[in-house]
Amino acid sequence: DAKTTQPPSMDCAEGRAANLPCNHSTISGNEYVYWYRQIHSQGPQYIIHGLKNNETNEMASLIITEDRKSSTLILPHATLRDTAVYYCIVRAQNYGGSQGNLIFGKGTKLSVKP
Amino acid sequence: KAGVTQTPRYLIKTRGQQVTLSCSPISGHRSVSWYQQTPGQGLQFLFEYFSETQRNKGNFPGRFSGRQFSNSRSEMNVSTLELGDSALYLCASSLHKYQETQYFGPGTRLLVL
Repeated sequence: DAKTTQPPSMDCAEGRAANLPCNHSTISGNEYVYWYRQIHSQGPQYIIHGLKNNETNEMASLIITEDRKSSTLILPHATLRDTAVYYCIVRAQNYGGSQGNLIFGKGTKLSVKP
Repeated sequence: KAGVTQTPRYLIKTRGQQVTLSCSPISGHRSVSWYQQTPGQGLQFLFEYFSETQRNKGNFPGRFSGRQFSNSRSEMNVSTLELGDSALYLCASSLHKYQETQYFGPGTRLLVL
């Protein structure tokens, strides 16, 4: 089972910030939080990941709470092209030479509206 | 740098047949993982390969198998196809280092009739 909980859907007005929450209350100390998104029927696209510090890249910002039990993905200026399903994933731990697979939940369907 | 490529993009098979899907990772990436996506079960991990060895396996029956070649390209095979195998099969590649990001290909959509 997925280790994360996300709202099933959210709406956002074009040009406004989209804030997507994720709960991962059982996260272990060495597990990272990853965010991917999937536009209809395409392969998932990597967005950002982090361990405990806030992270920012050209696509988004990731805010992780101090206790690491939840995080928020922020798209600063949402566009219609950001309409997609967003997955918050806690990366499985490495073992036996494995990289650790991604365990996907149901994600949040973000609809950006004009 | 070219992304992950998967062939074919679309495939139609009938029950009982077998199918082989191909994945070419990003240049320099040596780890390849496969995932299955269906409307009912979502995205599920199938297996992971590195250095031509399976490193990790998801909870799928033995009809699902894979392999990796010395150039890091990977194939997955599904034998004795069932209707429930209709899905989007996704390949992801990464550098084989701790917590390296996995980058996904566009997927192969398989329809079993």
